[in-house]
Amino acid sequence: DTEVTQTPKHLVMGMTNKKSLKCEQHMGHRAMYWYKQKAKKPPELMFVYSYEKLSINESVPSRFSPECPNSSLLNLHLHALQPEDSALYLCASSQVAGGTEAFFGQGTRLTVV
Amino acid sequence: AQSVAQPEDQVNVAEGNPLTVKCTYSVSGNPYLFWYVQYPNRGLQFLLKYITGDNLVKGSYGFEAEFNKSQTSFHLKKPSALVSDSALYFCAVRAWNNNDMRFGAGTRLTVKP
Repeated sequence: DTEVTQTPKHLVMGMTNKKSLKCEQHMGHRAMYWYKQKAKKPPELMFVYSYEKLSINESVPSRFSPECPNSSLLNLHLHALQPEDSALYLCASSQVAGGTEAFFGQGTRLTVV
Repeated sequence: AQSVAQPEDQVNVAEGNPLTVKCTYSVSGNPYLFWYVQYPNRGLQFLLKYITGDNLVKGSYGFEAEFNKSQTSFHLKKPSALVSDSALYFCAVRAWNNNDMRFGAGTRLTVKP
């Protein structure tokens, strides 16, 4: 199984809402990532978890709150977002360090209204 | 910090002709280099990687890439392009000792019949 599953596929939320994005993998990977991708732009790294601990936070605003409850799951909690946060949010996983590739989910298309 | 550059926003080729998508990198130490492809509204699909060993790396769908250390390049190639190869291509780099994977700006490949 080389699949990273993200739910939901699409999400529309108001600026006062609280929502969560979910990501799951069963490849035994101990590194998991959140990327944000705007249209026609490259993915921008947001967070990296290694062995369920936050190892990289790319100065992401606190309205984005990541959580890694176990080695297979990664969540991104959203609160008080702005319209400019609308984007495709991609989850990925890989082995920790080393030369292995990252496997990406299909993404959650988020629209903030 | 590591980075990659993709100097071409757009590459156009005729079906059946060879294609090249360019990438140069900057990283301390030995690089891990990757190519990904993205179709509209989808996640990123892994094509190939260079870790060590032979400078010519073969990947999925007939793609290959050549690692050139002196020119710090990792260009993606295919001997005969297909219309179905039309997509957005991203080069990525990761240092040997961390999980910080960075993407280039992307190159849109259009293959015309």
